[in-house]
Amino acid sequence: QITLKESGPTLVKPTQTLTLTCTFSGFSLSARGMAVAWIRQPPGKALEWLALIYWDDDKRYSPSLKNRLTITKDPSKNQVVLTMTNMDPVDTATFFCAHTDNPTVHGLGVWGQGTTVIVSS
Amino acid sequence: SFVLTQAPSVSVAPGQTARITCGANNIGSQGVHWYQQKPGQAPVLVVYGDSDRPSGIPERFSGSNSGNTATLTISRVEAGDEADYYCQVWDSNADQFVFGTGTEVTVL
Repeated sequence: QITLKESGPTLVKPTQTLTLTCTFSGFSLSARGMAVAWIRQPPGKALEWLALIYWDDDKRYSPSLKNRLTITKDPSKNQVVLTMTNMDPVDTATFFCAHTDNPTVHGLGVWGQGTTVIVSS
Repeated sequence: SFVLTQAPSVSVAPGQTARITCGANNIGSQGVHWYQQKPGQAPVLVVYGDSDRPSGIPERFSGSNSGNTATLTISRVEAGDEADYYCQVWDSNADQFVFGTGTEVTVL
């Protein structure tokens, strides 16, 4: 059974860098085809995809945010880390991580519960 | 890149059929995935690859995709189907996931 759980600060100040960790179980991110994505959802708004990292360390980013995002993985710890620089109040959102073994064919099959981040001074 | 357009809301009586559409130019050439999200919860995949259902998803949920419109159909709607529904594609040209704008389904 695949599970994922997000963790990180609840409150960050404007201009700070946000670091979120996705800790997963039930699959290996060293196994061919596996990938983990990050998605965010501002309060009352739609889902927005942020980044994706593949088993082979290939990475993809949302074009609109790519200059602010970095995604990395530590397969030995079963973790994926997302950093987002220069946080602004409009970045207040719930952040989810999710698993896929083929984004084109299978979508995001399992999601974490999400973690809420508030950006405020 | 893809822009996926969904109607903001759909209302349906219990026992009836709800159809939720997702529009984009030539979306029929892409594999479309659908997610159900209830208030305060994470999204759940209900249809992938246009029309396949993950294990545990009722047969009442079905999908289709052709031309410029993909459709999620919920048959015999129940009160527990009340949620937001999002379509999604992997835009292989831009190498990115794209989500639709979301549809709120209300069961009358």
